[in-house]
Amino acid sequence: DSGVTQTPKHLITATGQRVTLRCSPRSGDLSVYWYQQSLDQGLQFLIQYYNGEERAKGNILERFSAQQFPDLHSELNLSSLELGDSALYFCASSVAARLGDSGNTIYFGEGSWLTVV
Amino acid sequence: GQNIDQPTEMTATEGAIVQINCTYQTSGFNGLFWYQQHAGEAPTFLSYNVLDGLEEKGRFSSFLSRSKGYSYLLLKELQMKDSASYLCAGAGAAGNKLTFGGGTRVLVKP
Repeated sequence: DSGVTQTPKHLITATGQRVTLRCSPRSGDLSVYWYQQSLDQGLQFLIQYYNGEERAKGNILERFSAQQFPDLHSELNLSSLELGDSALYFCASSVAARLGDSGNTIYFGEGSWLTVV
Repeated sequence: GQNIDQPTEMTATEGAIVQINCTYQTSGFNGLFWYQQHAGEAPTFLSYNVLDGLEEKGRFSSFLSRSKGYSYLLLKELQMKDSASYLCAGAGAAGNKLTFGGGTRVLVKP
């Protein structure tokens, strides 16, 4: 157990709908990262927040948005869902803003399985 | 951005040794990471290298050559439970994300 909590674990929804995925980072971690992993695909970085501020953006679609709240939990909002959005969405957290410094690395939650039908 | 390349699949026998290679772009580098991921589960952190050389952690070791943009993960005394994907990931100079390779699926056979 990494200490990163994600809900829901599984979600099935129809095309065109909107869903919200929730993440609580490890106690003491200020950075939150969202990754997408489709079947047979590698982990694709979506977005990073540090202490409430957006720090980096990756291949995140305009239909997707995220935020980090004052209590440091984060939400990933996916709207106008398409079949191709079906994937495992991971949240990860780290204590500091800059990865690699003093071995600072990211710890993953168990993921949210999204199936769009 | 960084390009991370690693083989797609490897097969090895229980009790043997397997070496998983990873190459990456050398510009803007702040560390090389290895994760293990069982199918449908979260990636779990294995090791980290930022300086050249070998880091040993029990049955797992990781090596880095910064000048060559090359790393490997060495798995010794393979066990059936080591069957998983192994992900190589790099932190760029900004350190605001890890860029992952596609993962190497290791199958351990009896």
